Amino acid sequence: KNQVEQSPQSLIILEGKNCTLQCNYTVSPFSNLRWYKQDTGRGPVSLTIMTFSENTKSNGRYTATLDADTKQSSLHITASQLSDSASYICVVSEGNNAGNMLTFGGGTRLMVKP
Amino acid sequence: NAGVTQTPKFQVLKTGQSMTLQCAQDMNHNSMYWYRQDPGMGLRLIYYSASEGTTDKGEVPNGYNVSRLNKREFSLRLESAAPSQTSVYFCASSGFGLSTGELFFGEGSRLTVL
Repeated sequence: KNQVEQSPQSLIILEGKNCTLQCNYTVSPFSNLRWYKQDTGRGPVSLTIMTFSENTKSNGRYTATLDADTKQSSLHITASQLSDSASYICVVSEGNNAGNMLTFGGGTRLMVKP
Repeated sequence: NAGVTQTPKFQVLKTGQSMTLQCAQDMNHNSMYWYRQDPGMGLRLIYYSASEGTTDKGEVPNGYNVSRLNKREFSLRLESAAPSQTSVYFCASSGFGLSTGELFFGEGSRLTVL
């Protein structure tokens, strides 16, 4: 069964500090990996989408890495801000039929404190 | 640009009651999806519609029905609500299918079944 595991489940950091969130997956065949940010009480919003050939992708202070060989990804947040407090969800897409082909991780809940 | 709009945002039902969650998107997307999100678990696909006129079961379809009313609208119906259906429901849409397409989510509908 395809699985996406994220760690840690929760994390508390001080404003201005950096942090790294981890994602391991067993989805096969692989199409792409996505990171979403979900604010409390809101829907997920896309941060990055990475295909097999991409090792690193940045979106402002967010940098995602992908190692397709070891099936691992990370999301690095630089100089955290209070607005970064949210859940971060790793999602992996299978490389075949449409529709039922996204596997979602359980998310990492990040809290940034002043 | 509203994106994906869901109604209602909150609903409380008694066991056995029925209700319909409405979803509309204004991005001219072909594909639409209904997910549920439970604490500590990744989002799970209930039903999806790859294009107007088609619907297919996802991972957890039991107890639900859907209707793709037109290209814009995709509704989710609970015919006889059960406490196990207490969850947050998200509608999403995609323009190009999940192999490459970005997924846009609504703000969610919080359903409590007593």
